[in-house]
Amino acid sequence: EPEVTQTPSHQVTQMGQEVILRCVPISNHLYFYWYRQILGQKVEFLVSFYNNEISEKSEIFDDQFSVERPDGSNFTLKIRSTKLEDSAMYFCASSEALISYEQYFGPGTRLTVT
Amino acid sequence: LAKTTQPISMDSYEGQEVNITCSHNNIATNDYITWYQQFPSQGPRFIIQGYKTKVTNEVASLFIPADRKSSTLSLPRVSLSDTAVYYCLVGDNHYGQNFVFGPGTRLSVLP
Repeated sequence: EPEVTQTPSHQVTQMGQEVILRCVPISNHLYFYWYRQILGQKVEFLVSFYNNEISEKSEIFDDQFSVERPDGSNFTLKIRSTKLEDSAMYFCASSEALISYEQYFGPGTRLTVT
Repeated sequence: LAKTTQPISMDSYEGQEVNITCSHNNIATNDYITWYQQFPSQGPRFIIQGYKTKVTNEVASLFIPADRKSSTLSLPRVSLSDTAVYYCLVGDNHYGQNFVFGPGTRLSVLP
């Protein structure tokens, strides 16, 4: 069964540093998403991406964040100048077009900012 | 944006059928009802989606009454491995902004 993969599984960084979280969505999916989940809290939508453009973004997704599809398989989330409160699990998801609520999530990257 | 209400937690025993009900009184005409499962330190996993009446797949059944103001996820004969958080989401399938995870229902399956 095809699945979404994410690397690294755990990233530790110092406050103020930039991190790039990587995702490989399911190959025939056209919509891509990033979510985050702070420990013990809800899963929060960050951004959706389609046709090499951001479709929607939440209030959380400010200028500190950016997304990119640098090639035909990877989808990345860049967080600039990380803050302690950016520590969370970051999940990538993908879906076929038009059925965006049937999303397939990756295993997540645990980001720890020290 | 339809708000959902679910029980915070439920306990069950292995082999029992578990029904988790979600209330969504202000569901819109174009909204679908989607359920996800999440194990600790894993991403949410799509379980089932429906619009009205009953939907069944190899994992669960989803019952939606005619007024669509609530829905019930039914898990037949649960096992210990079904211990997880279950989320009910309601939205129109087109806008990720509306893809809001609530606190979910924490199901504990006991031996």
